[in-house]
Amino acid sequence: EMQLVESGGGLVQPGGSLRLSCAASGFTFSDYWMNWVRQAPGKGLEWVASIKEDGHEKNYMDSVRGRFTISRDSAQNSLYLQMNSLRPEDTAVYFCLRDQTGIWGQGTLVTVSS
Amino acid sequence: QAVVTQEPSLTVSPGGTVTLTCGSSTGAVTSGHWPYWFQQKPGQPPRTLIYDTSNKQSWTPARFSGSLLGGKAALTLSGAQPEDEAEYYCLLTYRGGRVFGGGTKVTVL
Repeated sequence: EMQLVESGGGLVQPGGSLRLSCAASGFTFSDYWMNWVRQAPGKGLEWVASIKEDGHEKNYMDSVRGRFTISRDSAQNSLYLQMNSLRPEDTAVYFCLRDQTGIWGQGTLVTVSS
Repeated sequence: QAVVTQEPSLTVSPGGTVTLTCGSSTGAVTSGHWPYWFQQKPGQPPRTLIYDTSNKQSWTPARFSGSLLGGKAALTLSGAQPEDEAEYYCLLTYRGGRVFGGGTKVTVL
């Protein structure tokens, strides 16, 4: 069964950092672009970042560029999102999403508050 | 970044047909935008219904179909069921990133 499992969310103060992880199983991780998507409470889906199969191309939404870094480790079958200089408006459930047929994880909640 | 537009809400009668659309501020949506359609019910993560314009996931009911229509991506629901009441999002790919539409709340009533 193809599966994505996110972890690493939690409560962090404004200006703080968090590292999210997404563990992939049931498919060849290195064959796919991967994405991070977020959803603020009561709001719609928002694409955050994408990374190519080989990790050599990365794209970010404007409001996180320079603060967030997407990365991947094919040996660990894992996707990461390093989030620095967090703001209250970054509060959301963060999902990982596999390209092509579109496999979603269950999400992990990030709350930025003092 | 581009803006992707969807109808905020649509209502369909049980057994009826409704078409949701997904437009781009940059011009016509094409297969090169690799349109996705996702369904999300309250308290659940999204799930993929359609990828690459018209391809269905293994769990996508036959009553859902994806296409390009009048310069937009479209999701057509034919024979609506009560369980189809949900939020629907499209996602388009551009050079340098991706953008979700704002979502369409579909009510089956």
